[in-house]
Amino acid sequence: GAGVSQSPRYKVAKRGQDVALRCDPISGHVSLFWYQQALGQGPEFLTYFQNEAQLDKSGLPSDRFFAERPEGSVSTLKIQRTQQEDSAVYLCASSLSSGTGHQPQHFGDGTRLSIL
Amino acid sequence: EDQVTQSPEALRLQEGESSSLNCSYTVSGLRGLFWYRQDPGKGPEFLFTLYSAGEEKEKERLKATLTKKESFLHITAPKPEDSATYLCAVRSIRDDKIIFGKGTRLHILP
Repeated sequence: GAGVSQSPRYKVAKRGQDVALRCDPISGHVSLFWYQQALGQGPEFLTYFQNEAQLDKSGLPSDRFFAERPEGSVSTLKIQRTQQEDSAVYLCASSLSSGTGHQPQHFGDGTRLSIL
Repeated sequence: EDQVTQSPEALRLQEGESSSLNCSYTVSGLRGLFWYRQDPGKGPEFLFTLYSAGEEKEKERLKATLTKKESFLHITAPKPEDSATYLCAVRSIRDDKIIFGKGTRLHILP
């Protein structure tokens, strides 16, 4: 398939552990977004990349959250010293470009993170 | 502050019973309003983008409309497979982030 791929689909970690979530965007998509979705809520913006540049990280909840996209393709969201409130579904989306707002975002199926 | 409010939170309809979902928004300059469908355990699936008041778009049993303050997703003669959560989102002219509403959980009874 040519869609956005996220791995792992499920991650269980103990409080205090570090986790890394991976996103493979659609080939050729310039823009990449990370969202956090709590149960029964809409996705909440975390951060945004255009190619390898992180243009907006205003939604990251704390300095424990870090995202990178070093070669402008695959992206990793890292959470250090996880806490129970980090439990959520983490969604990745990509789009061809973002300049005009005309391009819709295409989402992966997310990583469901559970912190024990 | 940009804001999106969807109503109702949940809606149960009989198969064939048409209805509308509401999305009210406040944004400092609308660059686009988006409708997505989300099935349990899946990521949101893109449905429509609307850009200006008066615009309408249709896809099968769904039609999205837009005014300066709200958008409606009309569903005509729904089928059980239309059951899902429908998410509304807006993008402002200020930046590239998308602000989502909490969604409407739609359940179509056979």
